[in-house]
Amino acid sequence: IVLTQSPDTLSLSPGERATLSCRASESLTASYLAWYQQKPGQPPRLLMDGPSSAATGTPDRFRGSGSGTDFSLTISRMEPEDFAVYYCQYYGTPPVTFGGGTRLEIK
Amino acid sequence: QIQLVQSGAEVKEPGASVRVSCKTSGYTMITMGVTWVRQAPGQGLEWLGRISPYNIDTDLAQKFQDRVTLTTDASTSTGFMELRNLRYEDTAVYYCAREAYCSGGTCFSDHWGQGTLVTVSS
Repeated sequence: IVLTQSPDTLSLSPGERATLSCRASESLTASYLAWYQQKPGQPPRLLMDGPSSAATGTPDRFRGSGSGTDFSLTISRMEPEDFAVYYCQYYGTPPVTFGGGTRLEIK
Repeated sequence: QIQLVQSGAEVKEPGASVRVSCKTSGYTMITMGVTWVRQAPGQGLEWLGRISPYNIDTDLAQKFQDRVTLTTDASTSTGFMELRNLRYEDTAVYYCAREAYCSGGTCFSDHWGQGTLVTVSS
C-alpha cells in the first residue's frame, strides 16, 4: 500500500488551521492508519493510533478523520511547537508503509 | 516509564555488517513486538521490519529480506537488528520502536528509541 501525503510543505502562522492529507493506493478496509510528528533530531512521536483516535497525550487541537483511501489530520490552531514534519503510516498486513511526510513551516 | 535505549553511532565500510541494539525497560519486551525503521539524511521514514510478540514470526520489507536479521534476547530485554553487506545508501538513522498490539498483524509504534546513526564510508 502506497501512501501519498500532500502538500509536501505547508507554510502557516501560529493560530492558523492546518489540514494535512494522506491518500492510500487502495482502500484500508480495517482503517489501520496512524499519524506521527517528528521534530529535528528526534524520533517520531505517535499522534494518532487510528484515523480518528488520538494517542495518549495528544493535544485536543489535533483531529484525525477519514476512511477508505482518504485520510486527513487537522490542527485547529497552530502552536509554535506544532511546526514539524508529519507522517502517516499504514499498518496491519505487512509491509508497513509510511507517507513521504508533510512539513509544517512558519510563514 | 517505558524506555528504549539504542546503541551508539557506527561507522562501517561498504560490504561490512552492523548490529544495532535496543534495550527496553518499563514493560515486558517479549509480550510486544519490536519494529525497526530507518531515516536517511533529510529523507522520510522507511520500515525495515518487525519481530512479533513472543518471537513467533518476523516480517521484513521485501528489499531487506536477504540482508536484515531481527532478533530479541528476552533475558536482557534487548532487541537487535543486523544489516549485512552495507552500501553507501544504507547511511541513515536507525530506530527501534515498541509495536503496540493489533489484531491485524503489524501495529503502530507507541514508544521509540533515540536512534542510531549508521554511516557507511570508505
